[in-house]
Amino acid sequence: GAGVSQSPRYKVAKRGQDVALRCDPISGHVSLFWYQQALGQGPEFLTYFQNEAQLDKSGLPSDRFFAERPEGSVSTLKIQRTQQEDSAVYLCASSVGTARYEKLFFGSGTQLSVL
Amino acid sequence: AQSVTQLGSHVSVSEGALVLLRCNYSSSVPPYLFWYVQYPNQGLQLLLKYTSAATLVKGINGFEAEFKKSETSFHLTKPSAHMSDAAEYFCAVSEGGNNRLAFGKGNQVVVIP
Repeated sequence: GAGVSQSPRYKVAKRGQDVALRCDPISGHVSLFWYQQALGQGPEFLTYFQNEAQLDKSGLPSDRFFAERPEGSVSTLKIQRTQQEDSAVYLCASSVGTARYEKLFFGSGTQLSVL
Repeated sequence: AQSVTQLGSHVSVSEGALVLLRCNYSSSVPPYLFWYVQYPNQGLQLLLKYTSAATLVKGINGFEAEFKKSETSFHLTKPSAHMSDAAEYFCAVSEGGNNRLAFGKGNQVVVIP
């Protein structure tokens, strides 16, 4: 596709359930980021991939959060045993290269609601 | 560590009036600075970025921003607001060894006809 695609668009989970969020970046983009955006806040960094390598996972809030990008393209963010505080919009972004000044292309996000 | 401050979560501006959104940053290294815009039900899009080539940066849709090192600021302006400018605007600074961004809390811009 022409842009970054995320699915599902909306996800409702009961507390304690596991969820998996998918990101399909722009083809050929080396860098992939996951951000978490709480209501009324700016996006907060979660994790970064360069191709299939997860180079930075310092923003993951707990060991319940896990991300992968096994073939260097599609990425999945998994949240185990969801809690109410996990409710947020999860954004995926990709960029062509790895430089600090590169433009990020964002998906529309997955809105996660944990009941 | 880098951080970004955007004051005033909601900004109302009359159609045709000046749009001014303030952004102050802190950075331990020469910064790369960005403004992103988020229209309803869309992903964030880049408006403009500062990469040290010029202090006055022009972006899409008539927006521009000026980097002022002495004030650690990167304020966004547009001379004349249009109804289509209603959106949420985020200032961000690049941190770390990759292009990981630290975002401000954002400004929700409402344009009054």
